[in-house]
Order: sequence, then C-alpha cells, then structure tokens
Amino acid sequence: DTEVTQTPKHLVMGMTNKKSLKCEQHMGHRAMYWYKQKAKKPPELMFVYSYEKLSINESVPSRFSPECPNSSLLNLHLHALQPEDSALYLCASSQEGGPNTYEQYFGPGTRLTVT
Amino acid sequence: KNEVEQSPQNLTAQEGEFITINCSYSVGISALHWLQQHPGGGIVSLFMLSSGKKKHGRLIATINIQEKHSSLHITASHPRDSAVYICATRSNYKLTFGKGTLLTVNP
Repeated sequence: DTEVTQTPKHLVMGMTNKKSLKCEQHMGHRAMYWYKQKAKKPPELMFVYSYEKLSINESVPSRFSPECPNSSLLNLHLHALQPEDSALYLCASSQEGGPNTYEQYFGPGTRLTVT
Repeated sequence: KNEVEQSPQNLTAQEGEFITINCSYSVGISALHWLQQHPGGGIVSLFMLSSGKKKHGRLIATINIQEKHSSLHITASHPRDSAVYICATRSNYKLTFGKGTLLTVNP
C-alpha cells in the first residue's frame, strides 16, 4: 500500500468556521508533511512532523494548527481563515524526515475555499 | 539559496513525439524528484534520483550531479501524459520546487 489519503476532497468554509483536514498513511512512514499550493504555483512547505513531533514550522500563521495523533495520521486544524488561504492543501509522507534522502509520497489534496 | 529552474514552461506536442523537460539547480543536493500533477489534482512521484538514470515504462529521468542538471524524457507521448511536470530538489528535510512545465499532448 503506497497510498496517502486525504479527506475531505473539497471544503468550503466561512471565515468564522473551524474545520479540520485529515491525512492518513499506512506505509509505516515516520515523517509527514503539509504543503499549501496556490493555483499555477509550486507547493509551499508548511509543516513537517518527524516521529510524531513537530520538527519544522515554516512560519505558518497560527490560524493553521497541525496535529499528529499517531504515526499514521496527520491533521490540520483551521480557524478564522482568510479568503487568501483558499488553496490546495497537500499532505505527504516519507520514511523519515531527516537529512537522509527518502521519497515523498503525496496525497490527492484537499481543495479549500474560504468565503 | 537553491534555485530550481525548469524549461520549457509550456510544451505542446503531437501524440507519439519524444518529449524532453529540463531542470537545473544551483546548489548541491541529496536527491532530485520528478513529480506529475494533473490539473486540479494531487501530485504523483515519478522518480527520485541521486545519480545516473532511471527508467519506468515510457519515462526516463537522468541527472548530472557535476552539471547540476536533470532531464525527464517521455517516449511515444500520449494525450494522457498531459499534465504539469515538476522538478524538486531535496536538501536535508526540504524540497525546493521548480515552477513546473505544462505539457499538452494532442491526439
């Protein structure tokens, strides 16, 4: 099983809502990533979890709150978002998140629209 | 700071043509990835390279570490190959992405 799954596929939320994005992998990977991708732009790294601990936060606003409840699951909690946060949110995983080179496997993404 | 440049930005081909997409980068890296993204879709990893050449079906990827350059080739292109192809270099934990090449293969 080389699949990373993400739910929901699409999400529309108001600026006062609280919602969560979910990512799951069953490959035994110990590193998981959140990326944000605006239209026609490359992905931008947001967070990296390594062994269930947050190892990298790329100066992401606090309205985005990641959580890694176990080694297979990664959540991104959303609160008080702005319309400019509308984007495709991609999750990825790799065997490890350190300096060693491991292939990253990407999920299909959640298309988020903030109204 | 690593800069990843891809060329061309857009490429239109006829079905059956041989396609080449180029990627150059500016600093030493531990690996280079070629990724595929269909419009509105998620990303599929095609190759991860540290040296030499890899082949998977009609896709071939090469890397020249000394020249800091990689190429992705598609033989016998097909309309289903139409997608954005993204080169990404890896240094430590982080991927640095190129801007992508939009490939359109016409029947």
